[in-house]
Amino acid sequence: DAKTTQPTSMDCAEGRAANLPCNHSTISGNEYVYWYRQIHSQGPQYIIHGLKNNETNEMASLIITEDRKSSTLILPHATLRDTAVYYCIVRALSGTYKYIFGTGTRLKVLA
Amino acid sequence: NAGVTQTPKFRILKIGQSMTLQCTQDMNHNYMYWYRQDPGMGLKLIYYSVGAGITDKGEVPNGYNVSRSTTEDFPLRLELAAPSQTSVYFCASYTAGYSEKLFFGSGTQLSVL
Repeated sequence: DAKTTQPTSMDCAEGRAANLPCNHSTISGNEYVYWYRQIHSQGPQYIIHGLKNNETNEMASLIITEDRKSSTLILPHATLRDTAVYYCIVRALSGTYKYIFGTGTRLKVLA
Repeated sequence: NAGVTQTPKFRILKIGQSMTLQCTQDMNHNYMYWYRQDPGMGLKLIYYSVGAGITDKGEVPNGYNVSRSTTEDFPLRLELAAPSQTSVYFCASYTAGYSEKLFFGSGTQLSVL
């Protein structure tokens, strides 16, 4: 699976959009970009995933560049409850059994 | 659905003791995983299983053993506990298909003193 690079930490003002970047320059054509978040000491929670098209769900939007070498997770109106560690993972479906997490980005939403 | 259930939630072990962390899921997922998370760090994959009777090593398997006799259960065994195994342990599972998103348990906080 391709390696990902994320900033160690970020701050965001409450009510503003939080844009979390992820670099994955060695991504293969069949690999998806996944995002999870971990609030305090809970188990990580799935947010969104995508292959090459931008994706949106009730939690967030995922923007993947045309060359697929980087992506951005967007939380459109961050709240204090979005303070968490956000993990970007790149993996292929069906056949890639290892599910490897990196160190993630610690997002702090400020009041 | 209960999802992924881990027991116990907390445990303190003495050096050299052994124990089994329990993980069970009721979603009929084939794939199950054990991770450990040290304070302030990311998750490290210990072992995983792609189905009953099939297990494989992850990134940090030393000091641990697993078994998968049923689809539902994936226990993690610590033999001869060491202080370096003080960590929070998470179990997770998913099913192959469209999203393959992981579902996590609430974790077991283990201290080895």
